Amino acid sequence: GDSVTQMEGPVTLSEEAFLTINCTYTATGYPSLFWYVQYPGEGLQLLLKATKADDKGSNKGFEATYRKETTSFHLEKGSVQVSDSAVYFCAFGQGGTASKLTFGTGTRLQVTL
Amino acid sequence: GAGVSQSPSNKVTEKGKDVELRCDPISGHTALYWYRQSLGQGLEFLIYFQGNSAPDKSGLPSDRFSAERTGGSVSTLTIQRTQQEDSAVYLCASSAAGTHQETQYFGPGTRLLVL
Repeated sequence: GDSVTQMEGPVTLSEEAFLTINCTYTATGYPSLFWYVQYPGEGLQLLLKATKADDKGSNKGFEATYRKETTSFHLEKGSVQVSDSAVYFCAFGQGGTASKLTFGTGTRLQVTL
Repeated sequence: GAGVSQSPSNKVTEKGKDVELRCDPISGHTALYWYRQSLGQGLEFLIYFQGNSAPDKSGLPSDRFSAERTGGSVSTLTIQRTQQEDSAVYLCASSAAGTHQETQYFGPGTRLLVL
């Protein structure tokens, strides 16, 4: 069935380190792909998205490229900050009669000084 | 504010009681979603409303769960005869037209604890 697999956390990095959080999906058709973020004590919010193959989503220094051939949407940031500490969720939205989001289990990122 | 609001923010109830959770979507958004975030289950889709169409109830875990959306705006999620496994954070989201490319905007959630 439809699913999202993302790397287990927690991920602990020092400030200014390079970040990659892997995400792969199983879905039929051409879904839209999303990264949502949940900062401590806050609600879920969109970080970035890509709606077709080879599109790159970017925001706040984070990037992810929609790779249909590998069904992946890996999240990257060149230099993380303490303020990036949060839980990151990969998700896809499928077309058709229900545009619900299917989420991965989330990856907790902890950035230390 | 102009975001999605939910009430109550926290709810503690006893096993077997009924609870109602409320969601106010962003004004003008035609699509409304309910999700559940629980330990060990991640974020799960529950139900989706789009305009005047019949809701997609495919994610509701049992017939104890129901939801309605009145006047195309406010939605209420009802859980009857609550069980301890219903303890979770219930999230509501809305989007402008319900297409799969759109951003869904999430509310702060209702944290439900069933004792």
